[in-house]
Amino acid sequence: DAGVIQSPRHEVTEMGQEVTLRCKPISGHDYLFWYRQTMMRGLELLIYFNNNVPIDDSGMPEDRFSAKMPNASFSTLKIQPSEPRDSAVYFCASSYTGNQPQHFGDGTRLSIL
Amino acid sequence: QKEVEQNSGPLSVPEGAIASLNCTYSDRGSQSFFWYRQYSGKSPELIMSIYSNGDKEDGRFTAQLNKASQYVSLLIRDSQPSDSATYLCAVWDTNAGKSTFGDGTTLTVKP
Repeated sequence: DAGVIQSPRHEVTEMGQEVTLRCKPISGHDYLFWYRQTMMRGLELLIYFNNNVPIDDSGMPEDRFSAKMPNASFSTLKIQPSEPRDSAVYFCASSYTGNQPQHFGDGTRLSIL
Repeated sequence: QKEVEQNSGPLSVPEGAIASLNCTYSDRGSQSFFWYRQYSGKSPELIMSIYSNGDKEDGRFTAQLNKASQYVSLLIRDSQPSDSATYLCAVWDTNAGKSTFGDGTTLTVKP
């Protein structure tokens, strides 16, 4: 079975540019999570969806960040405008239900210059 | 106080020894508990999940949960150099609908 698929794997862009990260969850998983990982802050939950509906976006750092899930097989995390402090590894994960284990994608390593 | 706290590392054990990783959580509504392993530069992968008090064994790994003490641990028996990684404790609170990860404990198993 295909796992969680994220793209791109690496992104390097200049400050002020728009960045879009993409995620395809495992088929049949109703929950989708977006995380950000840095050395300083560890793994932080940004937002999660249940059946394509955003449930908790309290972890989204500010209005520059937005996430959508237009259907059960696709989600995006967008940063506009990007800033150097947004540099991190962004993971997408999915699970059957909230209390089931999450399966992580390979992550997107984002560098904002 | 952080919602999920793990013992500060790094933790170093000799090959063949038992590695003990600890995690405490602050929210009594937490109902599901997970241990993930993350190799450097890779994504977290599930090692164990545990939902009820007591021990759960899977090969060389044993997870222990004590909800009264709000404590979950992971024991790795016969540690191998390939076990060297960062171990993340994760908690799911069904009532709050919230997923929280600890900061992780880095384990090094020395040959």
